[in-house]
Amino acid sequence: EAGVVQSPRYKIIEKKQPVAFWCNPISGHNTLYWYLQNLGQGPELLIRYENEEAVDDSQLPKDRFSAERLKGVDSTLKIQPAELGDSAVYLCASKQTGSYEQYFGPGTRLTVT
Amino acid sequence: GEDVEQSLFLSVREGDSSVINCTYTDSSSTYLYWYKQEPGAGLQLLTYIFSNMDMKQDQRLTVLLNKKDKHLSLRIADTQTGDSAIYFCAEGLSGGYQKVTFGTGTKLQVIP
Repeated sequence: EAGVVQSPRYKIIEKKQPVAFWCNPISGHNTLYWYLQNLGQGPELLIRYENEEAVDDSQLPKDRFSAERLKGVDSTLKIQPAELGDSAVYLCASKQTGSYEQYFGPGTRLTVT
Repeated sequence: GEDVEQSLFLSVREGDSSVINCTYTDSSSTYLYWYKQEPGAGLQLLTYIFSNMDMKQDQRLTVLLNKKDKHLSLRIADTQTGDSAIYFCAEGLSGGYQKVTFGTGTKLQVIP
C-alpha cells in the first residue's frame, strides 16, 4: 500500500513569489493534516480536514496561506506571497476517521531566498 | 494549553539501552505517542499508549507512562546504528477534535 505522497520534495523560491504543495493521502483516509516543521522543532498543525471540510484551521495564517481539499482526497497548500520566515518543511499526514494513528508523508522542504 | 518537552540530545553506544524522556502538561491527554524521524523523511509512528496504561512493550521498545508526574519514556533495548534519528513525543486529546501536540524532538546518536 502506498504511503502519503507529497510533491515537490524540495522547492526554492524568491520572497514574494507564490508556491503550492500537493498531498495525496493514503487511500481510505478521510482525515488529512498539514503541518509546519521548523528546523529543530516538532511539527505544528496548520490545518486539519475531515473529508473536504476544514475542521481546524485556527493556526493557518490566512493572510498568506490557503488550503483546499475539493474532492476530499488530494489537498493543496498554497502560500502567496512567500516570506523568508516561511522556509521550513511542510508535512502532510493522514489517518482513518476514528483512528489515532497518523501517517506522515516525506514533506516538502521550502527555501525562500 | 498543551506543551510537550524533551531533552535535545542523547548519545549511546551500540548494544546499550537508550531511554528518551518526555514531559507533557495536559492532564486530559488520552494518547501519548512516540514518532521517529530520519533525515529527510517524514515522521514514522513507532508506538503509542493509552493514558489508562502504565506500560506498553513492543519488541525492543518499552513505553512507560507516569500519569501523576505527566512523564513518558521510551526505552530502546539493544540500540542499533539504524536507531539513530530524532524521536518525537506527542500527546493527543480524544474526542472529535483529536488534536496532537508534538515535542521538540530528541536526537539519538548511536556510537558503533
